[in-house]
Amino acid sequence: ETGVTQSPTHLIKTRGQQVTLRCSSQSGHNTVSWYQQALGQGPQFIFQYYREEENGRGNFPPRFSGLQFPNYSSELNVNALELDDSALYLCASSQRRADTQYFGPGTRLTVL
Amino acid sequence: TQLLEQSPQFLSIQEGENLTVYCNSSSVFSSLQWYRQEPGEGPVLLVTVVTGGEVKKLKRLTFQFGDARKDSSLHITAAQPGDTGLYLCAGRAGGTSYGKLTFGQGTILTVHP
Repeated sequence: ETGVTQSPTHLIKTRGQQVTLRCSSQSGHNTVSWYQQALGQGPQFIFQYYREEENGRGNFPPRFSGLQFPNYSSELNVNALELDDSALYLCASSQRRADTQYFGPGTRLTVL
Repeated sequence: TQLLEQSPQFLSIQEGENLTVYCNSSSVFSSLQWYRQEPGEGPVLLVTVVTGGEVKKLKRLTFQFGDARKDSSLHITAAQPGDTGLYLCAGRAGGTSYGKLTFGQGTILTVHP
């Protein structure tokens, strides 16, 4: 059973650029949630995907968008990057309506 | 908006000491979880508590959910250097909010040998 994987591990972008982060869910999990963790803070919920549709969203602007694919992997896209978008982006996978979710190692995004 | 206040933010202790981390909210949560996160890694689930007043033990770690399901605590007995890390509490609101967690800001624990 493979765990949650994320790519890339690190990424450096400049303000105004766009970025795509990827997440492969754990085998058997059909739900993916994305979180943003700023340095020294706890993770903040961005959105969740189930069956290729957004299933709940936190307090993030529309320039944060996502996709889920038929194999349950997911992408997080951020347009018009801002300096404050610098953070660790975590994805977590779970089965539907399950309290237990498994986090990937995260992608460290730095916006210059 | 539900918020979780976690305290203390930093904790530096000697090996063998006991410690308690608190997680408080004015909101009721359906369940509350505690995670531990190492540098460069994602959070790892330690425990989930769902019933008011529930107490769970995991070796030297004791977790408690408040009677009103608004607060929780993590107590570590005889801390060891291997306990060093970031501890996070996370709550789930009611309904179908599975996987949509509200996290506290974390407690950075350092245990010195």
